Amino acid sequence: DGGITQSPKYLFRKEGQNVTLSCEQNLNHDAMYWYRQDPGQGLRLIYYSQIVNDFQKGDIAEGYSVSREKKESFPLTVTSAQKNPTAFYLCASSLPGQGAGAVQETQYFGPGTRLLVL
Amino acid sequence: AQTVTQSQPEMSVQEAETVTLSCTYDTSESNYYLFWYKQPPSRQMILVIRQEAYKQQNATENRFSVNFQKAAKSFSLKISDSQLGDTAMYFCAFMRGANSKLTFGKGITLSVRP
Repeated sequence: DGGITQSPKYLFRKEGQNVTLSCEQNLNHDAMYWYRQDPGQGLRLIYYSQIVNDFQKGDIAEGYSVSREKKESFPLTVTSAQKNPTAFYLCASSLPGQGAGAVQETQYFGPGTRLLVL
Repeated sequence: AQTVTQSQPEMSVQEAETVTLSCTYDTSESNYYLFWYKQPPSRQMILVIRQEAYKQQNATENRFSVNFQKAAKSFSLKISDSQLGDTAMYFCAFMRGANSKLTFGKGITLSVRP
């Protein structure tokens, strides 16, 4: 079945530790996104990538890093610089429109990873 | 910058009745897209409905329909014949036509009572 998978479902981070959240998709989508969800807030964009080997910062990129070496994969690293990492992290993918006037496609989401700090 | 406002934090509806969830947005763009996503207790984000700003006709998907008022920058979701499985958080989201970045509202918690 086509879809987006995220692992692990739960992740625990110790002080000063970097942790990596996995996101894989087999939908043949070019674009992938990482969002953070905090209680009482909507989703906020951390990073996004519209093509392999290229990515851009979203609204809250500080303390996070990403890579996009393969079309199917977009891992997110939460670094020790992120002082308040406890949140629910959602990965999404889409087929983005290219060029002025192109139709933008819907984003589809993975099941999420809950990150907790020990 | 675009903003999306969902002013009602919680709503409740009796099973089989109709409920409307409100959303307003602010943008200077003319080409954009609007979405409603559902997040049940499993926390999986599920697309409910999508509306292109250039389309005058309101989008519908089975029991779900929208009232898109472009001039008023309003995008409400109507759920007809509410079912227990509709209990979830509902997020309104905006996407510019020039790129694929989504801006979300804070969401509304909908409870369907048996």
